[in-house]
Amino acid sequence: GAVVSQHPSRVICKSGTSVKIECRSLDFQATTMFWYRQFPKQSLMLMATSNEGSKATYEQGVEKDKFLINHASLTLSTLTVTSAHPEDSSFYICSVPDRANTGELFFGEGSRLTVL
Amino acid sequence: DAKTTQPNSMESNEEEPVHLPCNHSTISGTDYIHWYRQLPSQGPEYVIHGLTSNVNNRMASLAIAEDRKSSTLILHRATLRDAAVYYCILSSSNTGKLIFGQGTTLQVKP
Repeated sequence: GAVVSQHPSRVICKSGTSVKIECRSLDFQATTMFWYRQFPKQSLMLMATSNEGSKATYEQGVEKDKFLINHASLTLSTLTVTSAHPEDSSFYICSVPDRANTGELFFGEGSRLTVL
Repeated sequence: DAKTTQPNSMESNEEEPVHLPCNHSTISGTDYIHWYRQLPSQGPEYVIHGLTSNVNNRMASLAIAEDRKSSTLILHRATLRDAAVYYCILSSSNTGKLIFGQGTTLQVKP
Protein backbone atom coordinates (compact mmCIF):
# COMPACT_ATOMS: atom_id res chain seq x y z
CA GLY A 1 0.00 0.00 0.00
CA ALA A 2 0.92 3.65 -0.28
CA VAL A 3 3.46 4.98 2.15
CA VAL A 4 2.97 8.63 1.26
CA SER A 5 -0.33 10.28 0.45
CA GLN A 6 -0.90 13.67 -1.15
CA HIS A 7 -4.07 15.70 -1.23
CA PRO A 8 -5.56 17.02 -3.40
CA SER A 9 -4.46 15.07 -6.44
CA ARG A 10 -5.79 17.80 -8.73
CA VAL A 11 -6.69 21.41 -8.04
CA ILE A 12 -7.77 24.25 -10.25
CA CYS A 13 -7.74 27.76 -8.86
CA LYS A 14 -8.04 31.34 -9.98
CA SER A 15 -5.03 33.56 -10.32
CA GLY A 16 -4.26 35.37 -7.07
CA THR A 17 -5.63 32.75 -4.74
CA SER A 18 -3.62 30.48 -2.45
CA VAL A 19 -3.60 26.72 -2.61
CA LYS A 20 -2.56 24.26 0.08
CA ILE A 21 -1.24 20.80 -0.72
CA GLU A 22 -0.90 18.18 1.99
CA CYS A 23 1.65 15.40 2.21
CA ARG A 24 1.12 12.64 4.73
CA SER A 25 3.50 9.89 5.78
CA LEU A 26 1.15 6.96 6.39
CA ASP A 27 3.39 4.23 7.72
CA PHE A 28 5.94 6.01 9.88
CA GLN A 29 6.91 9.31 11.37
CA ALA A 30 9.04 11.56 9.22
CA THR A 31 11.15 14.39 10.58
CA THR A 32 12.11 15.29 7.01
CA MET A 33 10.08 15.49 3.84
CA PHE A 34 11.03 16.81 0.42
CA TRP A 35 8.96 18.88 -2.01
CA TYR A 36 9.55 18.69 -5.75
CA ARG A 37 7.98 20.47 -8.71
CA GLN A 38 7.73 19.09 -12.22
CA PHE A 39 6.74 20.96 -15.37
CA PRO A 40 5.43 19.03 -18.41
CA LYS A 41 8.07 16.93 -20.13
CA GLN A 42 10.72 18.03 -17.65
CA SER A 43 12.44 16.36 -14.75
CA LEU A 44 11.68 16.85 -11.08
CA MET A 45 13.13 19.93 -9.45
CA LEU A 46 13.79 19.88 -5.72
CA MET A 47 12.12 22.89 -4.14
CA ALA A 48 12.74 22.50 -0.43
CA THR A 49 13.38 20.23 2.51
CA SER A 50 10.61 20.28 5.08
CA ASN A 51 11.87 19.88 8.66
CA GLU A 52 9.52 18.91 11.49
CA GLY A 53 9.41 21.61 14.14
CA SER A 54 11.69 24.04 12.34
CA LYS A 55 11.94 26.13 9.21
CA ALA A 56 12.09 24.55 5.80
CA THR A 57 15.32 24.68 3.82
CA TYR A 58 14.75 26.07 0.35
CA GLU A 59 16.81 25.35 -2.74
CA GLN A 60 18.42 28.21 -4.58
CA GLY A 61 15.97 30.22 -6.64
CA VAL A 62 12.85 29.02 -4.80
CA GLU A 63 10.94 31.86 -3.14
CA LYS A 64 10.18 30.93 0.44
CA ASP A 65 7.45 33.57 0.73
CA LYS A 66 5.77 32.21 -2.36
CA PHE A 67 5.93 28.56 -1.38
CA LEU A 68 5.14 28.27 2.31
CA ILE A 69 6.04 24.97 3.92
CA ASN A 70 4.78 23.85 7.29
CA HIS A 71 5.81 20.58 8.94
CA ALA A 72 3.83 20.79 12.14
CA SER A 73 3.66 17.09 12.92
CA LEU A 74 5.74 14.01 12.24
CA THR A 75 3.28 12.75 9.65
CA LEU A 76 2.17 15.89 7.85
CA SER A 77 3.86 18.54 5.74
CA THR A 78 1.95 21.17 3.80
CA LEU A 79 2.96 23.28 0.84
CA THR A 80 1.00 26.47 0.26
CA VAL A 81 1.37 28.21 -3.06
CA THR A 82 0.51 31.80 -2.24
CA SER A 83 -1.00 34.25 -4.71
CA ALA A 84 -0.82 31.63 -7.41
CA HIS A 85 -0.28 32.64 -11.04
CA PRO A 86 -0.54 30.61 -14.24
CA GLU A 87 3.24 30.05 -14.27
CA ASP A 88 2.86 28.19 -10.95
CA SER A 89 0.80 25.54 -12.72
CA SER A 90 2.78 22.37 -12.25
CA PHE A 91 2.93 18.87 -10.78
CA TYR A 92 3.95 19.09 -7.13
CA ILE A 93 5.33 15.93 -5.54
CA CYS A 94 6.39 15.24 -1.98
CA SER A 95 8.65 12.48 -0.73
CA VAL A 96 9.62 10.88 2.54
CA PRO A 97 12.96 9.18 3.22
CA ASP A 98 12.92 5.63 4.49
CA ARG A 99 13.10 5.66 8.29
CA ALA A 100 15.67 2.86 8.18
CA ASN A 101 18.01 5.30 6.44
CA THR A 102 18.47 2.98 3.47
CA GLY A 103 18.57 5.89 1.06
CA GLU A 104 15.21 5.03 -0.46
CA LEU A 105 12.69 7.82 -1.01
CA PHE A 106 8.96 7.16 -0.97
CA PHE A 107 7.05 9.53 -3.24
CA GLY A 108 3.47 10.70 -3.09
CA GLU A 109 1.13 10.44 -6.05
CA GLY A 110 1.63 14.10 -6.86
CA SER A 111 -0.73 17.07 -6.97
CA ARG A 112 -1.47 18.74 -10.27
CA LEU A 113 -2.10 22.45 -9.88
CA THR A 114 -3.70 24.46 -12.65
CA VAL A 115 -3.94 28.20 -12.16
CA LEU A 116 -6.37 29.96 -14.48
CA ASP B 1 26.33 15.87 -5.80
CA ALA B 2 28.05 14.67 -8.96
CA LYS B 3 26.22 14.74 -12.29
CA THR B 4 24.99 11.75 -14.29
CA THR B 5 24.58 11.35 -18.04
CA GLN B 6 21.90 9.12 -19.55
CA PRO B 7 20.59 8.64 -23.09
CA ASN B 8 17.41 10.61 -23.69
CA SER B 9 15.47 7.61 -24.88
CA MET B 10 15.68 3.89 -25.51
CA GLU B 11 13.45 1.27 -27.07
CA SER B 12 12.98 -2.33 -26.13
CA ASN B 13 10.84 -5.25 -27.16
CA GLU B 14 8.51 -6.86 -24.71
CA GLU B 15 9.96 -9.84 -22.80
CA GLU B 16 13.51 -8.98 -23.79
CA PRO B 17 16.19 -7.71 -21.38
CA VAL B 18 16.88 -3.99 -21.22
CA HIS B 19 20.18 -2.41 -20.26
CA LEU B 20 19.90 1.24 -19.27
CA PRO B 21 23.30 2.93 -19.05
CA CYS B 22 24.38 5.79 -16.82
CA ASN B 23 27.71 7.62 -16.80
CA HIS B 24 28.94 9.32 -13.67
CA SER B 25 32.61 9.99 -14.26
CA THR B 26 32.89 12.51 -11.41
CA ILE B 27 31.43 10.20 -8.78
CA SER B 28 33.03 10.47 -5.36
CA GLY B 29 33.84 7.63 -3.00
CA THR B 30 30.83 8.27 -0.80
CA ASP B 31 28.25 8.66 -3.58
CA TYR B 32 25.49 6.08 -3.75
CA ILE B 33 23.98 5.29 -7.16
CA HIS B 34 20.18 5.41 -7.11
CA TRP B 35 17.67 4.46 -9.80
CA TYR B 36 14.08 5.61 -9.81
CA ARG B 37 11.42 5.42 -12.48
CA GLN B 38 8.38 7.53 -13.16
CA LEU B 39 5.26 6.48 -14.98
CA PRO B 40 3.14 9.22 -16.60
CA SER B 41 1.27 11.42 -14.12
CA GLN B 42 2.66 9.55 -11.11
CA GLY B 43 5.31 10.19 -8.53
CA PRO B 44 8.66 8.44 -8.99
CA GLU B 45 9.13 4.90 -7.76
CA TYR B 46 12.29 3.49 -6.21
CA VAL B 47 13.95 0.81 -8.30
CA ILE B 48 17.33 0.02 -6.79
CA HIS B 49 20.48 1.56 -5.38
CA GLY B 50 24.04 0.56 -4.63
CA LEU B 51 27.48 1.76 -3.66
CA THR B 52 30.17 -0.54 -5.07
CA SER B 53 28.89 -4.07 -5.50
CA ASN B 54 26.29 -5.21 -8.00
CA VAL B 55 22.80 -5.36 -6.54
CA ASN B 56 19.75 -7.45 -7.33
CA ASN B 57 16.16 -7.12 -6.23
CA ARG B 58 12.78 -8.25 -7.46
CA MET B 59 12.51 -5.35 -9.90
CA ALA B 60 15.95 -5.14 -11.46
CA SER B 61 19.69 -5.57 -11.22
CA LEU B 62 22.29 -2.86 -10.89
CA ALA B 63 25.68 -3.48 -12.41
CA ILE B 64 28.36 -1.04 -11.24
CA ALA B 65 31.63 -0.68 -13.10
CA GLU B 66 34.77 -1.45 -11.15
CA ASP B 67 35.90 2.19 -11.31
CA ARG B 68 32.32 3.26 -10.44
CA LYS B 69 32.30 5.78 -13.28
CA SER B 70 29.34 4.11 -14.90
CA SER B 71 26.50 1.79 -14.04
CA THR B 72 23.77 -0.14 -15.84
CA LEU B 73 20.25 -0.83 -14.74
CA ILE B 74 19.11 -4.19 -16.05
CA LEU B 75 15.49 -5.12 -16.47
CA HIS B 76 15.59 -8.85 -17.12
CA ARG B 77 12.34 -9.15 -19.05
CA ALA B 78 10.71 -5.91 -20.10
CA THR B 79 6.95 -5.64 -19.93
CA LEU B 80 4.69 -2.90 -21.25
CA ARG B 81 4.32 -1.68 -17.66
CA ASP B 82 8.05 -0.95 -17.56
CA ALA B 83 7.62 1.91 -20.02
CA ALA B 84 8.63 4.94 -17.96
CA VAL B 85 11.30 7.57 -17.45
CA TYR B 86 14.27 6.05 -15.63
CA TYR B 87 16.44 8.33 -13.52
CA CYS B 88 19.99 7.58 -12.42
CA ILE B 89 20.93 9.76 -9.46
CA LEU B 90 23.98 10.11 -7.25
CA SER B 91 23.70 11.00 -3.59
CA SER B 92 26.45 11.41 -1.06
CA SER B 93 24.29 10.55 1.91
CA ASN B 94 21.35 8.44 2.93
CA THR B 95 19.29 11.46 3.98
CA GLY B 96 17.01 11.01 1.02
CA LYS B 97 17.76 14.30 -0.71
CA LEU B 98 18.01 13.49 -4.41
CA ILE B 99 18.64 15.79 -7.35
CA PHE B 100 17.04 14.42 -10.51
CA GLY B 101 18.57 14.71 -13.99
CA GLN B 102 16.70 14.33 -17.27
CA GLY B 103 16.48 10.55 -17.23
CA THR B 104 15.95 8.00 -20.02
CA THR B 105 12.51 7.51 -21.51
CA LEU B 106 12.08 3.79 -22.10
CA GLN B 107 9.62 2.64 -24.71
CA VAL B 108 8.60 -1.00 -24.69
CA LYS B 109 7.14 -2.37 -27.90
CA PRO B 110 4.77 -5.35 -27.91
